[in-house]
Amino acid sequence: SSELTQDPAVSVALGQTVRITCQGDSLRSFYASWYRQNTGQAPVLVIFGKNNRPSGIPDRFSGSTSGDRASLTITGAQAEDEADYYCNSRDTSGNHWLFGGGTKLTVL
Amino acid sequence: QVQLRESGPGLVKPSETLSLTCTVSGFSISSGYYWEWIRQPPGKGLEWIGNIFHSGTAYYNPSLRSRVTISVDTSKNQFSLNLRTVTAADTAVYYCARASYDTLTSWGQGTLVTVSS
Repeated sequence: SSELTQDPAVSVALGQTVRITCQGDSLRSFYASWYRQNTGQAPVLVIFGKNNRPSGIPDRFSGSTSGDRASLTITGAQAEDEADYYCNSRDTSGNHWLFGGGTKLTVL
Repeated sequence: QVQLRESGPGLVKPSETLSLTCTVSGFSISSGYYWEWIRQPPGKGLEWIGNIFHSGTAYYNPSLRSRVTISVDTSKNQFSLNLRTVTAADTAVYYCARASYDTLTSWGQGTLVTVSS
């Protein structure tokens, strides 16, 4: 597969739960990773593998996969979670990386 | 803790070659992992350019393969990107990163390269 598809924008009320999704054939073979990017900053890894968080990432972030769709869930969204979120995975060959187009999360 | 820093010219003329170097500290490139280049045009999403393993094996985005070369210098703990025959469409923030097989674990801060005469 050569594509990962994300919704361009999602909004959530402060303290509520939001799910950001990523769809692509490669997700049937490889887990998605999720990155948060604040304006003018480099991306930061928030979820990888089946559902793993790097050190320092709050446990309100979680990941899941079903079929060709991966999801990033933020349970109890905070104002500081407002950012762009990108998914990525290996392509079906396993040799290349794919990125989704990104989802802009607004916390209302 | 591994740190990566991109360096190189911030301005490149059209049709010339964009050359960037990523210097790695806190980890030896020879020890493994994949070493990646990713870019992000202003206001747009992330695009994977290619990567290299410490052995020198490299893979490239098919859309850029004809213009890209990635190399590694383990003696300097650096890896480099050359992108030939650039146009304005190559204007972007260029990131280097370290990757396991599963994920891109660490990123540099990025460097903006503008293609303009």
